[in-house]
Amino acid sequence: EVQLVESGGGLVQPGGSLRLSCAASGFTNSWMHWVRQAPGKGLVWVSRINGDGSSTAYADSVKGRFTISRDNAKNTVYLQMNSLRADDTAVYYCAREGRATVTLTTRAFDIWGQGTKVTVSS
Amino acid sequence: DIVMTQSPDSLTMSLGERATINCRSSQSVLHSSYNKEYLAWYQQKPGQPLKLLIYWASTRESGVPERFSGSGSGTDFTLTISSLQAEDVAVYYCQQYCSDLPTFGQGTKVQIK
Repeated sequence: EVQLVESGGGLVQPGGSLRLSCAASGFTNSWMHWVRQAPGKGLVWVSRINGDGSSTAYADSVKGRFTISRDNAKNTVYLQMNSLRADDTAVYYCAREGRATVTLTTRAFDIWGQGTKVTVSS
Repeated sequence: DIVMTQSPDSLTMSLGERATINCRSSQSVLHSSYNKEYLAWYQQKPGQPLKLLIYWASTRESGVPERFSGSGSGTDFTLTISSLQAEDVAVYYCQQYCSDLPTFGQGTKVQIK
């Protein structure tokens, strides 16, 4: 079954760190994204990584604080979050970027996880 | 960044009615190299993973009911639910991924009257 399972969320104090994990099953080496949703708010893209981990991108709001990485042997993507702030409080989703063919991306997120909740509070 | 603006913010319709959600981008989402509009629509229901409905502005994702359709080009796009069903109660988001940084609309909540 094709699925994504996030873990690693929790309560952390401002300035602290957390590492989120996203375990994939049923597929390998896809471009992967993290998207977050603050309580009662909409979806905000956070970061993405390509299939072999050689290329990454970040939203301005997290650049320099968050790092995305992957371990293809474990079929897992990570989001290392440092210097956390109250406005990082959100449910964090990982998502797969879909492909129409081997070489053509749909530029849409076709598989999503259930999310992991991060609360930054003292 | 490309700003995505949806309208309306919420929609209350009767079962069987046609529901229309609009999405406008601050600049074109046409990727000229591939001649594709990089505009997608998602459905979010409580307790369920987000679901991709439409990509490339009008291509329905596999398994999505035919009552969902997408249209539009350039900067103006529409998601239409041709005959609203009870299970369509959800929040719907548009998203562009033409630039290197994807952005979402603010969401449209669809409810049944």
